[in-house]
Amino acid sequence: EPEVTQTPSHQVTQMGQEVILRCVPISNHLYFYWYRQILGQKVEFLVSFYNNEISEKSEIFDDQFSVERPDGSNFTLKIRSTKLEDSAMYFCASSVNSGSSYNEQFFGPGTRLTVL
Amino acid sequence: AQKITQTQPGMFVQEKEAVTLDCTYDTSDQSYGLFWYKQPSSGEMIFLIYQGSYDEQNATEGRYSLNFQKARKSANLVISASQLGDSAMYFCAMGLRTTDKLIFGTGTRLQVFP
Repeated sequence: EPEVTQTPSHQVTQMGQEVILRCVPISNHLYFYWYRQILGQKVEFLVSFYNNEISEKSEIFDDQFSVERPDGSNFTLKIRSTKLEDSAMYFCASSVNSGSSYNEQFFGPGTRLTVL
Repeated sequence: AQKITQTQPGMFVQEKEAVTLDCTYDTSDQSYGLFWYKQPSSGEMIFLIYQGSYDEQNATEGRYSLNFQKARKSANLVISASQLGDSAMYFCAMGLRTTDKLIFGTGTRLQVFP
């Protein structure tokens, strides 16, 4: 069964460093998402991406964050200058269609980011 | 405001028993979807079941069923014949026609004991 994959599974970085989290969505999906989950808290939406453009972003997704689909398979989240509060689990998800009311979003296994 | 509320931070159930995890939602939209995800200790998010706002019948997927009460704005997850492997966090989420994002609740930690 096709699945979303994410690398690395765990990333440790120093405050102020740049990190890139990578995702390979399901191959026939067109819509891609990033969510984050701070330890012990609920999952929060960061951004959605379609046709090489951001289609929606939350207030969390500030100028420190960027997303890119550098080739036909990868989808990346970059944090330019990490802060302690960026420590969280980051989930990539993908779906066939847009509109979350009726579309299952398939989640990857997550990347746990630890900022020291 | 669009919101999901899960009032049970933790639940215990004995193996082979049924358990209900509560979820209430708040939206003024007429078109929405409700999802349940399971998050084991390993961290991944596993989709369990979906209910659309216009679906007249309650959704079922194997041992999972969704008790959808539209007038009460509730979408409770029922797990029948609990297994030890059901021990995990369970998140209720809502999707709306007008947005890409899923709105998650705070989750319920279910522990199944022998």
